[in-house]
Amino acid sequence: DTAVSQTPKYLVTQMGNDKSIKCEQNLGHDTMYWYKQDSKKFLKIMFSYNNKELIINETVPNRFSPKSPDKAHLNLHINSLELGDSAVYFCASSRPGQSSYEQYFGPGTRLTVT
Amino acid sequence: RKEVEQDPGPFNVPEGATVAFNCTYSNSASQSFFWYRQDCRKEPKLLMSVYSSGNEDGRFTAQLNRASQYISLLIRDSKLSDSATYLCVVSRNSGGSNYKLTFGKGTLLTVNP
Repeated sequence: DTAVSQTPKYLVTQMGNDKSIKCEQNLGHDTMYWYKQDSKKFLKIMFSYNNKELIINETVPNRFSPKSPDKAHLNLHINSLELGDSAVYFCASSRPGQSSYEQYFGPGTRLTVT
Repeated sequence: RKEVEQDPGPFNVPEGATVAFNCTYSNSASQSFFWYRQDCRKEPKLLMSVYSSGNEDGRFTAQLNRASQYISLLIRDSKLSDSATYLCVVSRNSGGSNYKLTFGKGTLLTVNP
């Protein structure tokens, strides 16, 4: 009964490849997020979707393309992977409407680009 | 200036110690405040929300000073299981009914036996 799940948990790939990370939540939340946590452990938001609509798009290279087929899923596709993309990517979800709502995080996908 | 700044740490304390973490935020439009906890190689999880009146949850006390844009977390009687990274988090409106969380860099706490 995992609340927010991500696949894969680990991803090792070479520079220039294209890869996808999938996220699913069974909490009935309308809002989902992608965060990147780099080697210095700094956690930064990349994208946010509310009911399949993009609402936050931070200054992320356009090699990163999120896709939300329905409000329970938010996938992240990365083209032409670079060494600097190595990080842990966390998916999260929350209810919209109030700033005080908790965000629930998935277990993370550890991406290593060689 | 970063939007959320925390004590850089790390903090190493013995079991039973009291430890305090400090955090400042730069955007006065910030509306909600939290402490999240992240264990090694795990996802962040909400520890507690922070209210202007101050709030307590067992051994944990959080304080917010909106005038100074300052947030704190106090842990009393530290346990080995408190060892983790503590993330100061602020939330503000990003348009409509949507909100954006901004995380501090985190402060690593190690509680030693």
